[in-house]
Amino acid sequence: GAVVSQHPSRVICKSGTSVKIECRSLDFQATTMFWYRQFPKKSLMLMATSNEGSKATYEQGVEKDKFLINHASLTLSTLTVTSAHPEDSSFYICSARDIVAGGNEQYFGPGTRLTVT
Amino acid sequence: QKEVEQDPGPLSVPEGAIVSLNCTYSNSAFQYFMWYRQYSRKGPELLMYTYSSGNKEDGRFTAQVDKSSKYISLFIRDSQPSDSATYLCAMSGIGDKIIFGKGTRLHILP
Repeated sequence: GAVVSQHPSRVICKSGTSVKIECRSLDFQATTMFWYRQFPKKSLMLMATSNEGSKATYEQGVEKDKFLINHASLTLSTLTVTSAHPEDSSFYICSARDIVAGGNEQYFGPGTRLTVT
Repeated sequence: QKEVEQDPGPLSVPEGAIVSLNCTYSNSAFQYFMWYRQYSRKGPELLMYTYSSGNKEDGRFTAQVDKSSKYISLFIRDSQPSDSATYLCAMSGIGDKIIFGKGTRLHILP
């Protein structure tokens, strides 16, 4: 149980284009999902907390107009990187909290590697 | 002082040895403690989850939490080459976002 999927696993796009990443909880419901980015050999950096049916909460320094988050259902959250630039190239990982389990643990997706050329 | 401190390693141990990984923290409000394993270019995988102080064992893995010392540990018995990965400690208060350590890179030498 507690499986989280992400799609796509890898994407290469040209500078100036937008990219959408999907995060799904496959076997549980998640009122809260989280989006992280990770640079090589670095720890996870929380970008935003995504709450089903409401606006996402962004961490300090994260541009909400650049990283659009939508959490339309209890099993799906999307992150759209708008007008991507090479400095946006990174490993993006989502996680979800199982509301039924009631604890605070998060389950992570496999990640999406974004390369902006 | 950072909220969560974790030695980045790398830590190299021979196959079969007992591995000890640990983190210290400063926020006494933390109640939930987790250990994640992350292989290269993959998402973190939840290994152990404990609430408050005490020990928890799952197979070859044992997690310990000492809230009085603000110190948590993960022990891996009979280590295998497949245990080679980065191990992240993580913790949070009730309903709060999770704070991660920077991760310890572990190498198990065959």
